[in-house]
Amino acid sequence: NAGVTQTPKFQVLKTGQSMTLQCAQDMNHNSMYWYRQDPGMGLRLIYYSASEGTTDKGEVPNGYNVSRLNKREFSLRLESAAPSQTSVYFCASSQGLEQYFGPGTRLTVT
Amino acid sequence: TQLLEQSPQFLSIQEGENLTVYCNSSSVFSSLQWYRQEPGEGPVLLVTVVTGGEVKKLKRLTFQFGDARKDSSLHITAAQPGDTGLYLCAGELGNTPLVFGKGTRLSVIA
Repeated sequence: NAGVTQTPKFQVLKTGQSMTLQCAQDMNHNSMYWYRQDPGMGLRLIYYSASEGTTDKGEVPNGYNVSRLNKREFSLRLESAAPSQTSVYFCASSQGLEQYFGPGTRLTVT
Repeated sequence: TQLLEQSPQFLSIQEGENLTVYCNSSSVFSSLQWYRQEPGEGPVLLVTVVTGGEVKKLKRLTFQFGDARKDSSLHITAAQPGDTGLYLCAGELGNTPLVFGKGTRLSVIA
C-alpha cells in the first residue's frame, strides 16, 4: 500500500520557470491538500480539495494553481517560479480527521 | 496571528529525561491532533483527542486535551533518541481544514 506519493522528490528551478508537482493517493480519500513547510513557519496550507471537482484556497495560495485531476490525483503548478517559493512541499489526503502525508518535494528556486 | 502556539520551539534533552511540550490557543477546537515528523519525511499522526479533559497514552507518550478544548500537552517519559523529531499539533475548527502549529523540535541525546 503506497499511501500518498509525490514526484519529484527534489527539483531546482530558475526564476520564471514553471513546473507541476504531482501527488497521488491510493486510499480512496475524498480530501487532498497541498502544504509548504519553511523553517520556523510550520505547515502552511496552499490549496485544498474537499472532494473531486472542487478546490479552495488556503492560507498562502498566491503564485500557485491546483488541479484535482480525479479522486486519486491532485497537482500543484507554479507558473512562474520565484525564490520565495523555495520550500518543502507536502501533499496530504484525508477521509476523516487524520491526514496522511506524502514524503515531500524539496524545491529550490534560484 | 498564529492560531495555535507551540512551546517550547526547541528542546534538547538527555536520554532518560522527562519532558512536556504545549499547544495553546484562544480558540475552541472540535478536536486536536499531534503529529511527529522525522527529517526528510512527512508528518505522521500520533493521536487525536476530541473530548475536553481527555487523556490518551501511547507507550511513553501521554496526551492531554484541556477541559475547555483550547489547549493540549504532550508528555514524554524517559525520552529516547528515537523520540527525536518535530512535534506538530493541529486543531480542527468546524468544517475548515486543520490548523497547524509551528511545532516543537525535540532532540534527545544519547
